[in-house]
Amino acid sequence: LAKTTQPISMDSYEGQEVNITCSHNNIATNDYITWYQQFPSQGPRFIIQGYKTKVTNEVASLFIPADRKSSTLSLPRVSLSDTAVYYCLVGDNNDYKLSFGAGTTVTVRA
Amino acid sequence: DTEVTQTPKHLVMGMTNKKSLKCEQHMGHRAMYWYKQKAKKPPELMFVYSYEKLSINESVPSRFSPECPNSSLLNLHLHALQPEDSALYLCASSQYGRGPYEQYFGPGTRLTVT
Repeated sequence: LAKTTQPISMDSYEGQEVNITCSHNNIATNDYITWYQQFPSQGPRFIIQGYKTKVTNEVASLFIPADRKSSTLSLPRVSLSDTAVYYCLVGDNNDYKLSFGAGTTVTVRA
Repeated sequence: DTEVTQTPKHLVMGMTNKKSLKCEQHMGHRAMYWYKQKAKKPPELMFVYSYEKLSINESVPSRFSPECPNSSLLNLHLHALQPEDSALYLCASSQYGRGPYEQYFGPGTRLTVT
């Protein structure tokens, strides 16, 4: 499993765009990049997954440069309800040993 | 139905008790997981079931005993737990063949061992 490094915490204000960068220097050819969101006392929620370039859904965008050694989760126009821990995971879709890193605590203020 | 349900929501048990946690999903997912999460820490994988068979046991102590009676149900039997086993226990499921990364998690069971 590729090791990931994320900032421990980020602060933002309502209406701003939040960008969280995850480093994964030893990502393997078959690895995908996946992000989860977790609110206190709830299970994590799948946000987005990508392999290369850019992926967008109704919640977020994921930007992956050509070398794939990092990725950036972009949350557009955050609200107070986006305050959560965000986890970046990297791994092969055939490896079921899912491993969560420390995550990034995003705090959105009014 | 994209929901994973877990019961009970909260559980307090003594170190000599035997209790069980239950997890259910009706999405047709054939991979199911148990995680343990301590406060302010990431979830830690405990067990993985694939097609009702235990495929991964992350060196979990035998006082935790998983069971998968059918494709929709996952149990975690608890016996002789220690206070340090107090944590949020999360169940998750995913489509087999789609990899483990798009998992659906339940809300968890908050376990307190006294």
